[in-house]
Amino acid sequence: DVVLTQSPATLSVTPGERISLSCRASESVDTYLHWYQQKPNESPRLLIKYASQSISGIPSRFSGSGSGTDYTLAISSLQPEDVATYFCQKYYSGPLTFGSGTKLEIK
Amino acid sequence: EVQLVESGGGLVQPGRSLKLSCAASGFTFSNYYMAWVRQAPKKGLEWVATISTSGSRTYYPDSVKGRFTISRDNAKSSLYLQMNSLKSEDTATYYCARHGSLGYIAWYFDYWGQGVMVTVSS
Repeated sequence: DVVLTQSPATLSVTPGERISLSCRASESVDTYLHWYQQKPNESPRLLIKYASQSISGIPSRFSGSGSGTDYTLAISSLQPEDVATYFCQKYYSGPLTFGSGTKLEIK
Repeated sequence: EVQLVESGGGLVQPGRSLKLSCAASGFTFSNYYMAWVRQAPKKGLEWVATISTSGSRTYYPDSVKGRFTISRDNAKSSLYLQMNSLKSEDTATYYCARHGSLGYIAWYFDYWGQGVMVTVSS
């Protein structure tokens, strides 16, 4: 089965900073890769679908890119409310699985 | 507004059964594939089950296949998860989630419920 590896596991950031989160697949997932945000004590929320497609209602500072095995979620100007754990997810070549997540903390 | 409200969680002994429910509103329930996703305490997300719009097709990962059964009642806009032979490793918050596309399956989730806690312990 394809394994998703997210890095870093934790990231300490400053408001206003541009950040990039990585999700790497053990083999190609052909952009069948989606991103979610989970704030503390909340349910996950879909941010990006199919690697780079935007979702209605999600702030434009969130964007996705990538292909093959390497994918990135970017936040152009981090806001305090973006403190959360971010998960990638795939359904390609095996069961639907999630990455282990990247937790964003504010410095 | 799309709403998914889970119920039925609680404390259950290993080897016993439990049935979760999810009440859906704000959309035409019968037009969407639906799923259950769980999250063990302080852990990541794990897909548990998916069901087609009519209920005729179901999908499970190996970790729960044969023990869990997903079902739906389109007349009641409700989704269910029957969990049998429960193990301590099934302890988690269980989320009801809607698959992302109308009428056909898209393997991502565009709406999630608030979750219900299931604790398997003696």
